[in-house]
Amino acid sequence: NAGVMQNPRHLVRRRGQEARLRCSPMKGHSHVYWYRQLPEEGLKFMVYLQKENIIDESGMPKERFSAEFPKEGPSILRIQQVVRGDSAAYFCASSPPSSEEETQYFGPGTRLLVL
Amino acid sequence: QKEVEQNSGPLSVPEGAIASLNCTYSDRGSQSFFWYRQYSGKSPELIMFIYSNGDKEDGRFTAQLNKASQYVSLLIRDSQPSDSATYLCAVGSNYQLIWGAGTKLIIKP
Repeated sequence: NAGVMQNPRHLVRRRGQEARLRCSPMKGHSHVYWYRQLPEEGLKFMVYLQKENIIDESGMPKERFSAEFPKEGPSILRIQQVVRGDSAAYFCASSPPSSEEETQYFGPGTRLLVL
Repeated sequence: QKEVEQNSGPLSVPEGAIASLNCTYSDRGSQSFFWYRQYSGKSPELIMFIYSNGDKEDGRFTAQLNKASQYVSLLIRDSQPSDSATYLCAVGSNYQLIWGAGTKLIIKP
């Protein structure tokens, strides 16, 4: 039973380029969450998605950031025109659809470095 | 605003002793409570979850929940150097988790 998968594990971009981060949830999971973590800081919630729906994007910056979770394929976190301040670890987590289950399981993360 | 509070530490504990990590939360309606461990440079991994008042034990780990006091704790018995990590408390609310900032635990050999 594969866990949450994220790719790439490391991503280097120059200022102004686009970054695309992918997340495949655990099998059977339909809820996906994206978090950002700066070095030596805590997890910051960004967005919560279900298939084809954004449920809560209250943690997403208003500009340059977008997320999707299509009917088929992985969830994508997209950062346009990256700046140095976007350098961070981006974690994806997934949870099952059961109303009684809120446990989130994390992927290994994508480390984004903006030069 | 729903909040989860943890002492950032670092908490330093001698090897073999009991490490006690604490967490308070603001939403009295919360029903599920989680402890995650995060090693430096790694992703958070689930240690335990607890839903009911009282204690829940799993090996060297015991989670304690007191809903009246809005308090949840994690005890680690016979602490090992490999337990050195940041411990994150999370509280469930409407399919989401509200996260504490984490407590850094250092086990001294």
